[in-house]
Amino acid sequence: DVKVTQSSRYLVKRTGEKVFLECVQDMDHENMFWYRQDPGLGLRLIYFSYDVKMKEKGDIPEGYSVSREKKERFSLILESASTNQTSMYLCASSPTVNYGYTFGSGTRLTVV
Amino acid sequence: AQSVAQPEDQVNVAEGNPLTVKCTYSVSGNPYLFWYVQYPNRGLQFLLKYITGDNLVKGSYGFEAEFNKSQTSFHLKKPSALVSDSALYFCAVSYSGGYQKVTFGTGTKLQVIP
Repeated sequence: DVKVTQSSRYLVKRTGEKVFLECVQDMDHENMFWYRQDPGLGLRLIYFSYDVKMKEKGDIPEGYSVSREKKERFSLILESASTNQTSMYLCASSPTVNYGYTFGSGTRLTVV
Repeated sequence: AQSVAQPEDQVNVAEGNPLTVKCTYSVSGNPYLFWYVQYPNRGLQFLLKYITGDNLVKGSYGFEAEFNKSQTSFHLKKPSALVSDSALYFCAVSYSGGYQKVTFGTGTKLQVIP
């Protein structure tokens, strides 16, 4: 089975901190994605990457950046965490757009 | 542009009864449609997809979905609900030529009552 691993299940960070969320997949998928999930808003795409060192903005990239130095790893960076970034963050990977995603278990981030 | 709507925030159904979770979509090309399920404090799990072919798609855990092009709908169904089906369900859409971006609905909470 494809496995997508997010390094932390729960994180608590202070306002203004730089936060790194890590995601690793083990099936050589080309595409990786970061979403945030908020009640009533569903999943919203932050960034995605279709190849190493390539990235594309999603629907809500403000306040975030990403890094993909190796094919299996896709990191989400909150440059200066704010309370409105408190959310569930979900990483996913996929070989192609019509294959479907495999999701990680999620990281619940609280910014205080 | 692409969008998906799940008109019901919550669906309640008695155990053993059939269930339907509704989804409508809008895309500018041929749609790729997906259903995912999320259990509490977990990531999403893939249930089924429609890419092309037969309008009735069968997936995991006895779920199925019907693609209706004229109504731009992709409703999730199950003939007999189980208490363990209680979860959050997400419909998602992409399209051929839509690069790799998938758009998700806001989710529908399914509550199966014993």
